[in-house]
Amino acid sequence: ELKVEQNPLFLSMQEGKNYTIYCNYSTTSDRLYWYRQDPGKSLESLFVLLSNGAVKQEGRLMASLDTKARLSTLHITAAVHDLSATYFCAVGKMNRDDKIIFGKGTRLHILP
Amino acid sequence: NAGVTQTPKFQVLKTGQSMTLQCAQDMNHNSMYWYRQDPGMGLRLIYYSASEGTTDKGEVPNGYNVSRLNKREFSLRLESAAPSQTSVYFCASSADMNTEAFFGQGTRLTVV
Repeated sequence: ELKVEQNPLFLSMQEGKNYTIYCNYSTTSDRLYWYRQDPGKSLESLFVLLSNGAVKQEGRLMASLDTKARLSTLHITAAVHDLSATYFCAVGKMNRDDKIIFGKGTRLHILP
Repeated sequence: NAGVTQTPKFQVLKTGQSMTLQCAQDMNHNSMYWYRQDPGMGLRLIYYSASEGTTDKGEVPNGYNVSRLNKREFSLRLESAAPSQTSVYFCASSADMNTEAFFGQGTRLTVV
């Protein structure tokens, strides 16, 4: 059974600092998704990673996928308060007929 | 672009009442999902529909029923609401089971 673990689950950091959120998963997969959720809002798609070594960047956020290590990272560069949100990763199984599995989310709080 | 539309946005029910949450997508997606989100619990899958005409139980189906009315619409019914069903409910859709999911704005349900 595919399990998806994010860490940390909660992160409080200062503006201007760099940090990385990790998403580990338990079985082979080649597709991974990152979502952002602002408080009281819905989930918004951030990145779609569809192959080993895939890297996507949007502003201060960069996501990467290492399928051999079963690991994706979401790196935050020079954090700003507006990036405060909960970030979810979701992993697609190799069986294309099966649903994607979400991690529990990382609640990121950036102190101004 | 409407994307995924859920109604209602807010609802208060008394214990034992019934209600149906409506969801419609205009992206011609095959797969649709209902999740609930509770504080500290991440997203939990209630039911999903891989394609028109099929529905399957997710992680927490007890107390709920669903109907995939057509390709666009997927409704969630609470037959006899309980306080434990107080939650935020999200509908989502994706082109196929293993692909990027798009979320509705959510329904905040309170059962008193």
